[in-house]
Amino acid sequence: DAGITQSPRYKITETGRQVTLMCHQTWSHSYMFWYRQDLGHGLRLIYYSAAADITDKGEVPDGYVVSRSKTENFPLTLESATRSQTSVYFCASSAGQFRELFFGEGSRLTVL
Amino acid sequence: AQSVTQLGSHVSVSEGALVLLRCNYSSSVPPYLFWYVQYPNQGLQLLLKYTSAATLVKGINGFEAEFKKSETSFHLTKPSAHMSDAAEYFCAVSAPQGGSEKLVFGKGTKLTVNP
Repeated sequence: DAGITQSPRYKITETGRQVTLMCHQTWSHSYMFWYRQDLGHGLRLIYYSAAADITDKGEVPDGYVVSRSKTENFPLTLESATRSQTSVYFCASSAGQFRELFFGEGSRLTVL
Repeated sequence: AQSVTQLGSHVSVSEGALVLLRCNYSSSVPPYLFWYVQYPNQGLQLLLKYTSAATLVKGINGFEAEFKKSETSFHLTKPSAHMSDAAEYFCAVSAPQGGSEKLVFGKGTKLTVNP
């Protein structure tokens, strides 16, 4: 089915481990985004990408790495997870600037 | 830089009552404004969007919002609340900055609908 899918939906890891959250969209949208959602903070932009091989930092990029070698995939990597990165992560895609964002169902990450 | 303030992190209404969720924005250029809804354990989905056409914007599920430039507001309303409206609502603003788009979200308002 067409859409945007995130995996894994739930992940528990330990401090210092590397974690990769996957995001895949089937619409060929040019823009893709990673947000984190925390109580009291709403959604905060981590990284975004305007096209394959083009990425840029958002509001809270520290501790995260992204890549976009293919239009449809936008993985988010925590190179050395910390407890402060415990959060719900949402991937989103958009057909262009100022267009509607389509969100995945989220990946709940717990760092022990 | 643009920003969004949602007044009230929790709003509670009775079924059938008016829903009013407040959003004020700050932007140095004409903005695009959005309301998104998030049901439990789901991602966000678009309710409605303002893009400088009509100031009164109608969305899905009977919601609407009015853009008031003089008040820098974009409040969300629904005449009669249903139980199914219980969710968290996010206001967001987007404005061109250096050729790129950055959508900034408010912190959200959780709506409870009482029977």
